[in-house]
Amino acid sequence: KAGVTQTPRYLIKTRGQQVTLSCSPISGHRSVSWYQQTPGQGLQFLFEYFSETQRNKGNFPGRFSGRQFSNSRSEMNVSTLELGDSALYLCASSPHRDRGTTNEKLFFGSGTQLSVL
Amino acid sequence: QQQVKQSPQSLIVQKGGISIINCAYENTAFDYFPWYQQFPGKGPALLIAIRPDVSEKKEGRFTISFNKSAKQFSLHIMDSQPGDSATYFCAALWRGGTSYGKLTFGQGTILTVHP
Repeated sequence: KAGVTQTPRYLIKTRGQQVTLSCSPISGHRSVSWYQQTPGQGLQFLFEYFSETQRNKGNFPGRFSGRQFSNSRSEMNVSTLELGDSALYLCASSPHRDRGTTNEKLFFGSGTQLSVL
Repeated sequence: QQQVKQSPQSLIVQKGGISIINCAYENTAFDYFPWYQQFPGKGPALLIAIRPDVSEKKEGRFTISFNKSAKQFSLHIMDSQPGDSATYFCAALWRGGTSYGKLTFGQGTILTVHP
């Protein structure tokens, strides 16, 4: 089975621009979560989508948004980029069980390294 | 209350030594505590996990010790190897009435094992 795929791998943008990152979960996984990783803050939860609906949200400003498509692929968008948005953005998917999807085990992609100049 | 505090930030251990990373939490509603391992250029991967009704879980050279009363848990890596050099994250799951919950991660510990 292919793992979680994130594109692009690296991205350089300037302040004020917007950016869209893409994530393809493991086949059969319906939950997709997004995290921001920075050296000082560790992994900060952005949001989670399940069956095209956002069901969890972290404490990030409205400039950060996401969506999920019917094939479970997900995108996140950051508008009006700021220097502090430079980070590794990680996508993770989790499997669906009969009792429902659990986030006990997340499968992470390798991330998109975003640099804002 | 949703925070998980991890220490130390970085750790240097000699090959064959024991690596110990500690985490503390406040929210007693957390009910699942995994550890993730991340190598450079890769995303984190689940290493080992424990539930609060168990005080210790061992998988190979990796052991989680859990102290429910102190609201602390730790990862012990026995016979540390250079290949264990990575960033380690503790995490805690809060379900908030749902079946799926939300993982909160610690800040991470960069482990370096010298040969």
